[in-house]
Amino acid sequence: AQSVTQPDIHITVSEGASLELRCNYSYGATPYLFWYVQSPGQGLQLLLKYFSGDTLVQGIKGFEAEFKRSQSSFNLRKPSVHWSDAAEYFCAVGSYNNNDMRFGAGTRLTVKP
Amino acid sequence: EAGVVQSPRYKIIEKKQPVAFWCNPISGHNTLYWYRQNLGQGPELLIRYENEEAVDDSQLPKDRFSAERLKGVDSTLKIQPAELGDSAVYLCASSSPGRLAGVGEQFFGPGTRLTVL
Repeated sequence: AQSVTQPDIHITVSEGASLELRCNYSYGATPYLFWYVQSPGQGLQLLLKYFSGDTLVQGIKGFEAEFKRSQSSFNLRKPSVHWSDAAEYFCAVGSYNNNDMRFGAGTRLTVKP
Repeated sequence: EAGVVQSPRYKIIEKKQPVAFWCNPISGHNTLYWYRQNLGQGPELLIRYENEEAVDDSQLPKDRFSAERLKGVDSTLKIQPAELGDSAVYLCASSSPGRLAGVGEQFFGPGTRLTVL
């Protein structure tokens, strides 16, 4: 069965600094990978997804992620963080028919002024 | 387009009481999911519906949890009786097959935060 590990429980960055959130997955077949963001009291919003093709995917709000099969990783990046990016970020892996999506435990992002 | 609607947003009950959560998915989405999110954790799937059929309920604690989606649209998740460990956020999501069949994005509602005292 697939699984997702987000090694960092909490990350603090200064506004304007770059950001990288780590995600490692375990899946026996071709993974379908997602990053979601959850603001306090809100549901999850999809930032970006990878199914195939170019391993560098662009998402909303200036986020991007790179799929590295050799490292089983799908790290999320942003070149310059805004205070509004403070939230919980979840990496998820799913199957082709999307019937068994597994989420990581999440990384909480704090943005310092 | 309206998103996934859930009610209530918050619920506080005493243990052993029953509780129900309601979800209305995005119009036209035939797949509906219920997730439980414990504090500090990612969502975990409880049950998945394809139209009115529950196609994956392997993680649903069937001794106290039940769900229905009678007309293949909105859905209700019930807990009876609730236990202290049921305190969590219950999320509903919906999806439809994407351009590539089967890889549709899941759209999430805001969730219901349940507190069991």
